[in-house]
Amino acid sequence: DVKVTQSSRYLVKRTGEKVFLECVQDMDHENMFWYRQDPGLGLRLIYFSYDVKMKEKGDIPEGYSVSREKKERFSLILESASTNQTSMYLCASSLFAEINEQFFGPGTRLTVL
Amino acid sequence: GIQVEQSPPDLILQEGANSTLRCNFSDSVNNLQWFHQNPWGQLINLFYIPSGTKQNGRLSATTVATERYSLLYISSSQTTDSGVYFCAVLGPQGGSEKLVFGKGTKLTVNP
Repeated sequence: DVKVTQSSRYLVKRTGEKVFLECVQDMDHENMFWYRQDPGLGLRLIYFSYDVKMKEKGDIPEGYSVSREKKERFSLILESASTNQTSMYLCASSLFAEINEQFFGPGTRLTVL
Repeated sequence: GIQVEQSPPDLILQEGANSTLRCNFSDSVNNLQWFHQNPWGQLINLFYIPSGTKQNGRLSATTVATERYSLLYISSSQTTDSGVYFCAVLGPQGGSEKLVFGKGTKLTVNP
């Protein structure tokens, strides 16, 4: 079974803090994704990566950056957290372009005070 | 971009009832997935079904790609089926891997 894990289920941070959200997958998937989910807005893609050290902007990359130094790990970074970044963050991975079924981690519910 | 519409937005059932959830999409797709979001927020994969019919226990799904819709059937529903069901599609976007999600169907199964 594919397993995608995220470093925290719940996280509380203060405005201005630098926040790291970690995602690890154990199935040697090439593609990894970060989404945020907000009531009324649904799931929105922040960034994705199709290879180590590669990244592509999604729909809402502003205020975020990402890092993929190893194939199995994809980090989302909030350089200076703001209250409007309070959200549910979901990480996903997929094998490669031709087999692109995405598998999701359990999510991190981030609150920025 | 591709549009995804799900219906109904809300559905309330008694335990044991059957239901059909619908997903319409506006363009041809390379991928269609159905997910169940549990009360803790995790998205659970139900089906990867760009075309055809699949079954898994009490759940089955059919995608008619030429008519741009997919259906998720839940039979003999249980309270544990409660949650939000999402349809997501990946269009022919020249290498982009972006899944486009519908707004979901919120299912409540009462005992």
